Amino acid sequence: DGGITQSPKYLFRKEGQNVTLSCEQNLNHDAMYWYRQDPGQGLRLIYYSQIVNDFQKGDIAEGYSVSREKKESFPLTVTSAQKNPTAFYLCASSPGRGGYGYTFGSGTRLTVV
Amino acid sequence: GESVGLHLPTLSVQEGDNSIINCAYSNSASDYFIWYKQESGKGPQFIIDIRSNMDKRQGQRVTVLLNKTVKHLSLQIAATQPGDSAVYFCARGDTNQAGTALIFGKGTTLSVSS
Repeated sequence: DGGITQSPKYLFRKEGQNVTLSCEQNLNHDAMYWYRQDPGQGLRLIYYSQIVNDFQKGDIAEGYSVSREKKESFPLTVTSAQKNPTAFYLCASSPGRGGYGYTFGSGTRLTVV
Repeated sequence: GESVGLHLPTLSVQEGDNSIINCAYSNSASDYFIWYKQESGKGPQFIIDIRSNMDKRQGQRVTVLLNKTVKHLSLQIAATQPGDSAVYFCARGDTNQAGTALIFGKGTTLSVSS
């Protein structure tokens, strides 16, 4: 079955550490996205990528970094520069030009301890 | 930047009632709107979408209405069931730039009591 997989489901980070959240899709989608969700808030865009080896900052990119070396993968690194990283992180993919058709992963809940 | 907002953060209804969830947007260039349902601890799931050349679209038990004059859209759920309890998000996009990101509203939590 085609889909999008995020791992891990739960992640704990000590202050000052970088952590990387995984997002893999086998839908042959060109575009991939990372959103952050806080309680009572909507989804806020961190980064997105329309094609391999290219990505753009979203509204809240500070303290995050991404890479898009393969079409299937779009990992997100939460760096120590992100002052309030505790949140629910959602990855999505879409066909890109020609349609939105977002498919979301099941999310990673990151907690700073 | 542009945002998509919802009128009410929570909505409580009785099982069997019809539910109406509202959303307002400010960017008149948006021509594509989507409703998502998110259950606790899960990713959002697509419910229904509508393009700006339409003012109404129906799915199974759901209807989306779009009023471009006042930049408002709504999601109507008929005969609401306990399984409809979730957070509902509206999102907008620009199909001329497909592949760019959808902009989401803050969500309305729908609670259905038996």
